[in-house]
Amino acid sequence: GAGVSQSPSNKVTEKGKDVELRCDPISGHTALYWYRQSLGQGLEFLIYFQGNSAPDKSGLPSDRFSAERTGGSVSTLTIQRTQQEDSAVYLCASSSGLGFYEQFFGPGTRLTVL
Amino acid sequence: AQRVTQPEKLLSVFKGAPVELKCNYSYSGSPELFWYVQYSRQRLQLLLRHISRESIKGFTADLNKGETSFHLKKPFAQEEDSAMYYCALTGTGNQFYFGTGTSLTVIP
Repeated sequence: GAGVSQSPSNKVTEKGKDVELRCDPISGHTALYWYRQSLGQGLEFLIYFQGNSAPDKSGLPSDRFSAERTGGSVSTLTIQRTQQEDSAVYLCASSSGLGFYEQFFGPGTRLTVL
Repeated sequence: AQRVTQPEKLLSVFKGAPVELKCNYSYSGSPELFWYVQYSRQRLQLLLRHISRESIKGFTADLNKGETSFHLKKPFAQEEDSAMYYCALTGTGNQFYFGTGTSLTVIP
């Protein structure tokens, strides 16, 4: 079946602009995670959604970052007033539950802020 | 506070030699630990998890609570093992913490 998909694969934007990144999880997966991978760094947890529960936003680095998940499926990560330090690969993953469940990763969106 | 430490950014071993990728963690409570792998031009994927006590592609990892380590081992490295390896941890809050990764190169 189809895996996790993300769009766009690449995004170049100017400092100060807003961007939206999209994630389509595997059908039926209740949990969805967003991560940021900066050059030379590991994956930084940003946010997760589980079913209809309130998302855990504890990893979002600033209030310029927000995410939503509509209908328990597609998720969008929005970065407002982008800064150069936001340049990174943004990864989405979904799983059939939280905790020890396997996460299935998307291909990522490479964001470059000029 | 960094919860997962992978001290080696790069590791090279010869084919057929044993390999050990180090992972140390810092977490109060009982964490769940994982190894994820990313092969060239592929997506990040699960290699193994502690809870399953499994051996995947000849790799094993033992949780040492005294040393707070979860090192990944394989007795005989193969060329196809060349990849980026990430150690990861989750706990009661369900956030995931990944290490910075170790790039393994197996020399033919």
